[in-house]
Amino acid sequence: EPEVTQTPSHQVTQMGQEVILRCVPISNHLYFYWYRQILGQKVEFLVSFYNNEISEKSEIFDDQFSVERPDGSNFTLKIRSTKLEDSAMYFCASSEGRTDSPLHFGNGTRLTVT
Amino acid sequence: GESVGLHLPTLSVQEGDNSIINCAYSNSASDYFIWYKQESGKGPQFIIDIRSNMDKRQGQRVTVLLNKTVKHLSLQIAATQPGDSAVYFCAESSQGGSEKLVFGKGTKLTVNP
Repeated sequence: EPEVTQTPSHQVTQMGQEVILRCVPISNHLYFYWYRQILGQKVEFLVSFYNNEISEKSEIFDDQFSVERPDGSNFTLKIRSTKLEDSAMYFCASSEGRTDSPLHFGNGTRLTVT
Repeated sequence: GESVGLHLPTLSVQEGDNSIINCAYSNSASDYFIWYKQESGKGPQFIIDIRSNMDKRQGQRVTVLLNKTVKHLSLQIAATQPGDSAVYFCAESSQGGSEKLVFGKGTKLTVNP
């Protein structure tokens, strides 16, 4: 069964550093997403991406965040200057369409900011 | 405001029993609901979804019930197995599809052999 893959599984970085989290969505999917889950808390929406542009973003997704689909298979989340409170699990997801298409999640990247 | 929450943080059942996991939501504009299962170290795994024009949907061993009057959603798992042990999240969207899902906090289901 096709799946969403994320790398790395764990990323440790120092406060103020830039990180790039990588994702390979399911190949025939058209919608891509990033969610995050702070330890012990709810999964929170960050951003959705369709047709090479952001279609929706949350208030969490401020100017230090950016997303990119640099080629036909990868989807990345960049955090420009990490803060301690950015420590969380970051999940990438993709779906075939916008309606009647459940999200398929990757196994996440655990980001630890020290 | 938009929020999705769960009544119970933990649920413990015996293998073979039926499990019922509940979820309340507050956004009356919500029109799409999904249940996800999350095992330790993994991402949320899709279980079943339901649209607001339905009140019941069945899958393999799972049934989702939607009561729009009281804004309540439940997941029923028949003949619960040890492999069903996980955290279960409900999620909702008011935009007709999967975009911008609002997740609940999760219920941890433990199945005792």
